[in-house]
Amino acid sequence: GAVVSQHPSWVICKSGTSVKIECRSLDFQATTMFWYRQFPKQSLMLMATSNEGSKATYEQGVEKDKFLINHASLTLSTLTVTSAHPEDSSFYICSAREVLSTYNSPLHFGNGTRLTVT
Amino acid sequence: KQEVTQIPAALSVPEGENLVLNCSFTDSAIYNLQWFRQDPGKGLTSLLLIQSSQREQTSGRLNASLDKSSGRSTLYIAASQPGDSATYLCAPAPLGTYKYIFGTGTRLKVLA
Repeated sequence: GAVVSQHPSWVICKSGTSVKIECRSLDFQATTMFWYRQFPKQSLMLMATSNEGSKATYEQGVEKDKFLINHASLTLSTLTVTSAHPEDSSFYICSAREVLSTYNSPLHFGNGTRLTVT
Repeated sequence: KQEVTQIPAALSVPEGENLVLNCSFTDSAIYNLQWFRQDPGKGLTSLLLIQSSQREQTSGRLNASLDKSSGRSTLYIAASQPGDSATYLCAPAPLGTYKYIFGTGTRLKVLA
């Protein structure tokens, strides 16, 4: 089945540094990937839609200069949290849509990245 | 704007019980609705996807129903087991987009 790999699974960084999270589709090509964040005991909030070869589309309220998204190939999207602050500590999850999928095909999710900013 | 609510927020039951988890959404213009399972600190596992034209889907002990016009979906878990303990999320997909909107989740604990 379709597998989405996220790396790292957890990361601790100091305030002011940048952190890059990778999302890879291992056995399929993904034209579109989605980035979500999840605070403790809350649901997933969509941050941005990442399209291969073009600029990401950010949801309202998400700072595009803080959360840099790059989707350079059909199997890799990256989210970089720049100048991280403690309030950026969260669980980040990506999902991917297969190239030939329809709107009635399920999305495939990664296992998430736990980011802690100290 | 689509809003998704899940009831109950938390549920604790003894092993073997049949369960019903509820999901309601405000905008019925959807392509499909997915139910997911999330274990603590983990990503999401897709359980069932119901297309907007369908009324229900079944997979093993799981059965999901959809009443699009009333904005409701239910997930039925038969003969619950401790391994079913997790958070269950429902997510409708609005027409023309893959932007699933997630519900608040139901945290299920099945006691041995």
